[in-house]
Amino acid sequence: GALVYQYPRRTICKSGTSMRMECQAVGFQATSVAWYRQSPQKTFELIALSTVNSAIKYEQNFTQEKFPISHPNLSFSSMTVLNAYLEDRGLYLCGAGDWEYEQYFGPGTRLTVL
Amino acid sequence: AQKVTQTQTSISVMEKTTVTMDCVYETQDSSYFLFWYKQTASGEIVFLIRQDSYKKENATVGHYSLNFQKPKSSIGLIITATQIEDSAVYFCAMRGASSGSWQLIFGSGTQLTVMP
Repeated sequence: GALVYQYPRRTICKSGTSMRMECQAVGFQATSVAWYRQSPQKTFELIALSTVNSAIKYEQNFTQEKFPISHPNLSFSSMTVLNAYLEDRGLYLCGAGDWEYEQYFGPGTRLTVL
Repeated sequence: AQKVTQTQTSISVMEKTTVTMDCVYETQDSSYFLFWYKQTASGEIVFLIRQDSYKKENATVGHYSLNFQKPKSSIGLIITATQIEDSAVYFCAMRGASSGSWQLIFGSGTQLTVMP
């Protein structure tokens, strides 16, 4: 079956520091990976869409300078939150898959900023 | 612009009954995909079922089925013989079928509670 792992599941960082989160696909090819942030109210914000061998496309209000993403192969992607502040809190989700099919999600990385 | 709307904030049903969750969408794309996911209490998001816009037949997977009404831009999720473990937040989502439209647009979710 298609599985997506995310590490870490939870992380706490001090305001102004950075943290890196990882997304690993098992059992299928993650040609594309979409990074989302889910608010406590359950709304989803798309941060960026990454496709192997293509440029990463960031949504408005999200930048590469703040959320650099690496997607080096068909099974792995990582994203860093640089200079995290309170407004960066939330559940960060990666949705991975091949473009013709559905996205499979990892359990998310819950970021708390102190 | 694309938009997905779920008007039901929460639904409570008795175990072993059938429940329908509503979802309407807006898109300018001629071809698109519609999905239902559920998010468990632990935060895990699980893919349930998918409907391709060009298919007239309603998709069915296990005890999940869809009521796809394309003229109404509606894609309802039907869960038959509900179980306690079906309690979760259910999200409707869509994306365009063209390349570069891979990101999902989510609805606001419907909290389903299945009672014994």
